[in-house]
Parts: sequence; structure tokens; C-alpha cells
Amino acid sequence: ETGVTQTPRHLVMGMTNKKSLKCEQHLGHNAMYWYKQSAKKPLELMFVYNFKEQTENNSVPSRFSPECPNSSHLFLHLHTLQPEDSALYLCASSPQGGGGTYEQYFGPGTRLTVT
Amino acid sequence: AQSVTQPDIHITVSEGASLELRCNYSYGATPYLFWYVQSPGQGLQLLLKYFSGDTLVQGIKGFEAEFKRSQSSFNLRKPSVHWSDAAEYFCAVREYGNKLVFGAGTILRVKS
Repeated sequence: ETGVTQTPRHLVMGMTNKKSLKCEQHLGHNAMYWYKQSAKKPLELMFVYNFKEQTENNSVPSRFSPECPNSSHLFLHLHTLQPEDSALYLCASSPQGGGGTYEQYFGPGTRLTVT
Repeated sequence: AQSVTQPDIHITVSEGASLELRCNYSYGATPYLFWYVQSPGQGLQLLLKYFSGDTLVQGIKGFEAEFKRSQSSFNLRKPSVHWSDAAEYFCAVREYGNKLVFGAGTILRVKS
């Protein structure tokens, strides 16, 4: 339904594992985002990339490491996570300003469980 | 920093009844405003947006929203709710650059 895909959709990992989340957008956008959505909390912006450059890091712990190799792909590398990192991780993309209306388009999310 | 308030955490309406979800924002100039919907286990889908012009905007799925500057509000409405509208609804405002600030969400339950 949307032009933003995320894999995997579900991930269970131990605290000592290393895993990566992948996001791909097919909308021709130049900005991409990672959000964290936890139960009973507002949506938290984690990272923003514009034209492959990171423009925002919202005080995210270093155990989350983003990578944006091009405007269509975004990764979130995970290592030594904590149980409180269990959440739905959402990727989004948008046209990069310049007269745009700033709406963001979201992927379906990756449900992460840290055991 | 901008903020968005959705005063209602949960709302329950009967199928076929009208719906209004409230959203208030803090922003000095004319804001860019959005409503999104999220079904369980899914991402957020854009329902509608406002950035200028007519203060009553139409969106997908029969939703509309009205921008009222004097009340700093952007309430979402639907004349007749369907069971498939049960979901969580988020209001958002553009803060700066391409950054959006989201409200905490309102969960809509539809009873038959």
C-alpha cells in the first residue's frame, strides 16, 4: 500500500546480539527518518537524513547506529540492546522541503523484542 | 519547541455516528498540520494535511479537518463512522526543517 518497505517485520534478539533493520523507499524522496514507538509513549524521532547526510540525532544511545548509503535506503544497526529498547521501529521518508508540504510517508514498522 | 496536544486518549463511538477528534498545537505562524491513522501492527498512514488556503481540508476515507487559528486547533471529523475506522489517530505539526512533532494519539473504538 505504501512506497516505504521495512524488513524484517518482526525481530527477537538477545542483548548481546547484533542485528540490522532495513528500510527502502520507492517514492523518490530525499529525506528519511527513524522513529521509535513504545507503548503508551508519543512517537520519538531518532534520526533524520537529508540527501544521505545525517541532520538530526535526537540524543539516541550509541547502541543504535544508523546508516544511509543512498536516498532510497536506510539501515538501523543494533548492538547490545536493552529490554527497554523493545518497541515498534518506524521508518519514514519525505520530499526534502523546498516548497513541499513536509508530509512524511511511513513504512509498516519492525516490531523488535529484546530478551 | 512546538507541541501537539490530543486531549482524548480514548474515544468510543457507535457505528454510523459522527466523530470529532481534537487536536491543539502551539505554533506562532501558520503551521503545517497533519492527521495520520495507525491500525494495529501497522505504520502511520497520512489522512490529510493543511498548510494554507481553505481552512476545511478533505482527506482520504471520508475524513475532513478544520484549521482554526483563533483556537490553535485542527480537529478531525467524519460524519458517519464505520467499524473499519477503529484505529489510533495522530495529529502532527511541522516544527522546523522537515521535522514533525506528533501528539500522543487518540484510540478510536467503534461499537456496533
